[in-house]
Amino acid sequence: GQNIDQPTEMTATEGAIVQINCTYQTSGFNGLFWYQQHAGEAPTFLSYNVLDGLEEKGRFSSFLSRSKGYSYLLLKELQMKDSASYLCAVMDSNYQLIWGAGTKLIIKP
Amino acid sequence: DVKVTQSSRYLVKRTGEKVFLECVQDMDHENMFWYRQDPGLGLRLIYFSYDVKMKEKGDIPEGYSVSREKKERFSLILESASTNQTSMYLCASSPEDSGSGANVLTFGAGSRLTVL
Repeated sequence: GQNIDQPTEMTATEGAIVQINCTYQTSGFNGLFWYQQHAGEAPTFLSYNVLDGLEEKGRFSSFLSRSKGYSYLLLKELQMKDSASYLCAVMDSNYQLIWGAGTKLIIKP
Repeated sequence: DVKVTQSSRYLVKRTGEKVFLECVQDMDHENMFWYRQDPGLGLRLIYFSYDVKMKEKGDIPEGYSVSREKKERFSLILESASTNQTSMYLCASSPEDSGSGANVLTFGAGSRLTVL
């Protein structure tokens, strides 16, 4: 079967760095997405990786290793507004999205 | 500001009632999707549509139907609501597939349905 694993919850301190991991087993691979979802709000797109390596976008970076079936989202200089759930999703060989259950990130002052 | 609008944020219905969840997007997107989001589970695709009057079953279509009479509107219908359909329902849209795989979804804020 197809599976996406990410931690259920993480806690970090304002101003620090946090890494949210995502491992996947899917039928084929056509890219990996990260979305951010604040409580009670719509998920919003953060990043897309299809090739191995690191993609940097301001305070957020996303890394992909296709051979290891692994990605991480790196958040630097954490702010209170980064408290949210972070959803990992993989597009399989049929271009269908397989979603992880999400990681709830709690930022403490 | 482009958006996907779900008309009802919160609904409470009784078992057996017919439920309509409406979704409208103003981005002229071809693709529209209905997902349900439950605690501890990833988003699960109910139905999607790549064009007007076209629909495809997702992973969990049982108990649901959809309608897409106009490009901007995609409705989810629960013919006879049951308690196990209590959930958060998310509508999303995306532009026509460029073939690159990087088809970003724009989501609505969700409709939280409680079936008693």
